[in-house]
Amino acid sequence: EAQVTQNPRYLITVTGKKLTVTCSQNMNHEYMSWYRQDPGLGLRQIYYSMNVEVTDKGDVPEGYKVSRKEKRNFPLILESPSPNQTSLYFCASRGQIREKLFFGSGTQLSVL
Amino acid sequence: DAKTTQPTSMDCAEGRAANLPCNHSTISGNEYVYWYRQIHSQGPQYIIHGLKNNETNEMASLIITEDRKSSTLILPHATLRDTAVYYCIVRAGGTSYGKLTFGQGTILTVHP
Repeated sequence: EAQVTQNPRYLITVTGKKLTVTCSQNMNHEYMSWYRQDPGLGLRQIYYSMNVEVTDKGDVPEGYKVSRKEKRNFPLILESPSPNQTSLYFCASRGQIREKLFFGSGTQLSVL
Repeated sequence: DAKTTQPTSMDCAEGRAANLPCNHSTISGNEYVYWYRQIHSQGPQYIIHGLKNNETNEMASLIITEDRKSSTLILPHATLRDTAVYYCIVRAGGTSYGKLTFGQGTILTVHP
C-alpha cells in the first residue's frame, strides 16, 4: 500500500532534549516536505526536499533541521526543542510534477 | 504563488451539493488550482486540481471561471463524512516549485 509513515504518533519531551521525527515513503517519490499545524495559523511549511541531498527552507525553518540521505526517508530534527515548537507535524511526499501530495498521519509533539 | 481567498465556514445539508468557492484574482497563466481537505487532525487529502478546464473525478468537480480568477469545488452529494476543512491552493507547475502554502481554508459542516 502506498503510504507516508511518520513516527512517533505522539511525543512529549522537555525543553532542550534533542529529538527526531522520522518520515518514510514507499512510493519512490522525489519530493518530500514537512509542515507544522497550529490553531489559527493553518499548515505552514518547514522544509522541503526536491531530491536526495537537496533540501530548502520553507516558511518557518527556524529551530529545525532536515536531512535527505536517501530517497525514502526525510527525518525532521529538533536539536534543542522549545515550547513554541509544540505543534502537530505532517510529512508529505509527491512524485511527478503536479502530482498530488501524500500526507502522513501526523505527529503530535508537546515540548514542556 | 497567487493568494487565495475562501470563506471561513459553510454549511450544507446531507445529500445536497456542496459548492465551495475560491478567489484567486492574481493567478498567472502557469498556475494550477489545487484542492485538499483535512478531516479533523488527519493529514490533508488531495481532492482535485485543474489549470483552466473543468475537471471531475470520483470525489468532486472543479469549475474554473473563464478568466481563471475564481473556482468552485463541488461535492455533488455531500455526506456527513465530508465535514472537513477544505483548502484551495494556487501553485505554478514545472520543476521550479517546492514551496506549497496552505491558507486557512473553509470549514465545511455537513448536517443531517
